[in-house]
Amino acid sequence: EVQLVESGGGLVQPGRSLKLSCAASGFTFSDYYMAWVRQAPTKGLEWVASISYDGGSTYYRDSVKGRFTISRDNAKSSLYLQMDSLRSEDTATYYCTTVWVAARDYFDYWGQGVMVTVSS
Amino acid sequence: DIQMTQSPASLSASLGETVTIECRASEDIYNGLAWYQQKPGKSPQLLIYNANSLHTGVPSRFSGSGSGTQYSLKINSLQSEDVASYFCQQYYDYPTFGAGTKLELK
Repeated sequence: EVQLVESGGGLVQPGRSLKLSCAASGFTFSDYYMAWVRQAPTKGLEWVASISYDGGSTYYRDSVKGRFTISRDNAKSSLYLQMDSLRSEDTATYYCTTVWVAARDYFDYWGQGVMVTVSS
Repeated sequence: DIQMTQSPASLSASLGETVTIECRASEDIYNGLAWYQQKPGKSPQLLIYNANSLHTGVPSRFSGSGSGTQYSLKINSLQSEDVASYFCQQYYDYPTFGAGTKLELK
């Protein structure tokens, strides 16, 4: 059974940093592209970033480019999202997801999500 | 970015009824379209990919259709466990989602 468990969320002040982690199990982690998708409170879904099988290629939405860094450790079956210079508009639940094949694809499995609140 | 316009924003239907949700893309997305179900307090779950392919374990009362810029999700014989929000997502370009449809029981 595919399991994705996010951690690292919380309350952070604007301009500060936070690092999210996602522990994966139940599948061969290194065979999958991975992504982060977020959902602001009572809002819709928004793709944030994706990463290739070996971490060699990364992709970001424009609003987080230069502030967020997606990375992975295949030996630990783990995905990460380093979030710097956080803004109030980054407040959301962040979901770790598998991506079917490539950066431009659908998200076939989702974690339970982790809440990030950016507020002074 | 490809914009996804989803309708209706909310929907009320009776048990056993057939429900249809629409999604329109701002340009041709060549069947690069997925549908997700999100129950209250839960994470989204994939229902349909490639516009009309059912994901593993999804009941056959769910179906997807469409082409070009127009796509739809149909739920036959509505069940109580189908109460949820539904989102479309295009992946012809970098992923973008529709705003969602909240489905309630009448």
